[in-house]
This record gives sequence, structure tokens and C-alpha cells, in this order.
Amino acid sequence: GAGVSQSPSNKVTEKGKDVELRCDPISGHTALYWYRQSLGQGLEFLIYFQGNSAPDKSGLPSDRFSAERTGGSVSTLTIQRTQQEDSAVYLCASSLRRTMNTEAFFGQGTRLTVV
Amino acid sequence: DAKTTQPNSMESNEEEPVHLPCNHSTISGTDYIHWYRQLPSQGPEYVIHGLTSNVNNRMASLAIAEDRKSSTLILHRATLRDAAVYYCTIVGGKLIFGQGTELSVKP
Repeated sequence: GAGVSQSPSNKVTEKGKDVELRCDPISGHTALYWYRQSLGQGLEFLIYFQGNSAPDKSGLPSDRFSAERTGGSVSTLTIQRTQQEDSAVYLCASSLRRTMNTEAFFGQGTRLTVV
Repeated sequence: DAKTTQPNSMESNEEEPVHLPCNHSTISGTDYIHWYRQLPSQGPEYVIHGLTSNVNNRMASLAIAEDRKSSTLILHRATLRDAAVYYCTIVGGKLIFGQGTELSVKP
């Protein structure tokens, strides 16, 4: 497909389990962003990648959150020992390069529910 | 990262113009001004961006103040499908979003 793809679209997990969320950016896009959106809230920046490196991890809420990107393409956001407050929609975006004079394209998100 | 300030909500009537303001007084010289919108239950979508000059595209117009400390997104004729949360963001590398303006459009 031509857009940013995220999987799964929905994930229900038990408290304490680990989850992996996947983002397939648009082919050729070097910049990739992860956000979290809790119900009725705005977008909380988590991390961004330029190629495979993450110059800014300042938004990751705790050391239970980690992300990687391989081959300058697919990215995985991992949440270890999930807590109920991790329940949110996790959004991924990509852009041709670091977004200054270029637009970012968003996926439809992964809705994570921790029970 | 430059901080943005937007009204929490605005209302418009269908087929009338809408002016959505954004203040970004701490913007630096190389930061771009981007606007995105998020329709209910969807991911955000790009609307428009600019640096210094006013910009027009098929979706909207962006008016940037001469000192660049504020900007206005203009929807020339609001439709019911324009009801969304509109985010103004200042981009100097990262793409950071504020709380946005929730626009409602009345028929």
C-alpha cells in the first residue's frame, strides 16, 4: 500500500505482559515518529528516528518503553510489563526526511487496551 | 521546541470561512509552521505548511504574520466534513503537537 501501515489495529493484553507494535512507513521515508494518544487527549510525542538512529528518545514515558528501527524501514515499539495507564492509541508517522519543509503521513494507529 | 497556543474550541457555520489562530512567539528563524487535522477516530492528516510567505493549497490557506509569531489557518468554505481537531505545530526537526483547536461546523 502507499500509506503508513500499523499493526495490529487493536490489541488487548493482560497487565504485566509485553506487547510489540509495528509500523511500516512509506517506502523511502527516512524519518519516522511514534506518538501516544490517550482517550480525548492530544498527541504525546514518544520518539523519532532518522534512518535507524533515534536522536531523541526524550518522550518515552519510562524504561518499559523502547523502540527500534531496522533497515531504515520497519519500526517496532515495545512496551514491557504493560500497565493499565498504557492503554491508548499509538500512532506512527513517516516523512521523506526530518519534517521541516515536508509533510508527515500518519497511520491509523494501534489501539492498545491493557486489562 | 517552540510552544504553540491555540483556542480549545471554535464553532463555524457551514459554507462560511473559518479562521483558526495559532500563537508561536518562541519560533526560531528556521522553524516551519505546520498544520494538521484529526478527524474523529482517525490518524492526523497534513493540511498545509509554510515558513514566511502565505501559502495556499486545495485544502486551505495559511497566513503567517510578518514577525512569524503567529499564524492563521483559513478554511474558505467550511463543510461538515471539516469538523476536526486542528493542530498547529512548529517544526524544527521533531514534530510536536499541542492540544489543538476542536472545530465544530453547524449546518
